Amino acid sequence: TQLLEQSPQFLSIQEGENLTVYCNSSSVFSSLQWYRQEPGEGPVLLVTVVTGGEVKKLKRLTFQFGDARKDSSLHITAAQPGDTGLYLCAGAPVYSGYALNFGKGTSLLVTP
Amino acid sequence: GAVVSQHPSWVICKSGTSVKIECRSLDFQATTMFWYRQFPKQSLMLMATSNEGSKATYEQGVEKDKFLINHASLTLSTLTVTSAHPEDSSFYICSAAGTESNYGYTFGSGTRLTVV
Repeated sequence: TQLLEQSPQFLSIQEGENLTVYCNSSSVFSSLQWYRQEPGEGPVLLVTVVTGGEVKKLKRLTFQFGDARKDSSLHITAAQPGDTGLYLCAGAPVYSGYALNFGKGTSLLVTP
Repeated sequence: GAVVSQHPSWVICKSGTSVKIECRSLDFQATTMFWYRQFPKQSLMLMATSNEGSKATYEQGVEKDKFLINHASLTLSTLTVTSAHPEDSSFYICSAAGTESNYGYTFGSGTRLTVV
């Protein structure tokens, strides 16, 4: 059972376009995290959202945590080829301690 | 910042042999370490949770006799793939949580295992 449903799974866009990645669940999470992973490397943490309704910005990336703490989104403005990678949302449901569960990931390709 | 070192980065072994992967927290004490497995173009699947000084907790479907986890100290956890088979070929990644918070997990750089 996939706790976190992430969409879309694949996204190919041109430089300068905007995009949004969604991460949804029926479970409540104490926090959700977004990671970016390059091929052959471990995931690198981008942001942690903790409070329902929270919005965090990291340069051209905007992260939002749903009011009910069941979903999150990542919006990238004016995508660059350097944004290419696998984006993963992850969280630990409130009932399960703090082992992270990952979404299936969104593979983003930004072409010049 | 927190650093987790994973070794080796890649390994090729013959079917039937065992392979040990190390995960070390370099500048913090990791009370809990997690082991994940990742197939190409797929997400990370949690295999087990390892607490220092106690037995690991395995996820459903993960054979504990095949994937031996030892967390003997607050800075080191090891995963041993015993009697490896080609289907065990995968990317294995560890992560560590410090003693202070359950936020900001730090991941190792992963180990690419190829069983021939």
